[in-house]
Amino acid sequence: NAGVTQTPKFQVLKTGQSMTLQCAQDMNHNSMYWYRQDPGMGLRLIYYSASEGTTDKGEVPNGYNVSRLNKREFSLRLESAAPSQTSVYFCASSEAGRGGNEQFFGPGTRLTVL
Amino acid sequence: GNSVTQMEGPVTLSEEAFLTINCTYTATGYPSLFWYVQYPGEGLQLLLKATKADDKGSNKGFEATYRKETTSFHLEKGSVQVSDSAVYFCALSVGGSARQLTFGSGTQLTVLP
Repeated sequence: NAGVTQTPKFQVLKTGQSMTLQCAQDMNHNSMYWYRQDPGMGLRLIYYSASEGTTDKGEVPNGYNVSRLNKREFSLRLESAAPSQTSVYFCASSEAGRGGNEQFFGPGTRLTVL
Repeated sequence: GNSVTQMEGPVTLSEEAFLTINCTYTATGYPSLFWYVQYPGEGLQLLLKATKADDKGSNKGFEATYRKETTSFHLEKGSVQVSDSAVYFCALSVGGSARQLTFGSGTQLTVLP
């Protein structure tokens, strides 16, 4: 099993450009998540999908959109990138509805917006 | 709302020293508590967890006890190794179908030989 995979690993954008970050998991998990990691701030939830066909905003959704393409895949789109979106982005997945369930994380995408 | 406050870093220790990283939380509801570890250039991995008061999570020599009375979940290890150098995150989740995680800011640990 590959677990959670993310593409690309690195990306440099100019202000105003758009891009989509891809995430896929092969663990048959119901729930998937997008986080951003900034120095000194831990991880903050951008969007999540409790199950296929549903998405909800997290703590910092502005400037992002998501698509839960199917049970395996959950993409994050930046329509018009801004320097404030320079960050490391992590995708995660978990089984829903179970106490203390573990989230499994991908290796991350390091995004720089110039 | 929910929040996690973690000991400020970075922390530098000599090999075989005792480690404590403090973590306290506030939560609406009855949380599950986690410690995640992030090695350089990698994603986060679950280190240990506890789902109810007085539970002790343990893994790889690390331990943490869920203390409801002090709303704490401090991470300890009796003898650290160079390979333990990483960033450690305390986190909680409360209810809901998606069990969202709320993270602390992370503590960078460096262990010197």
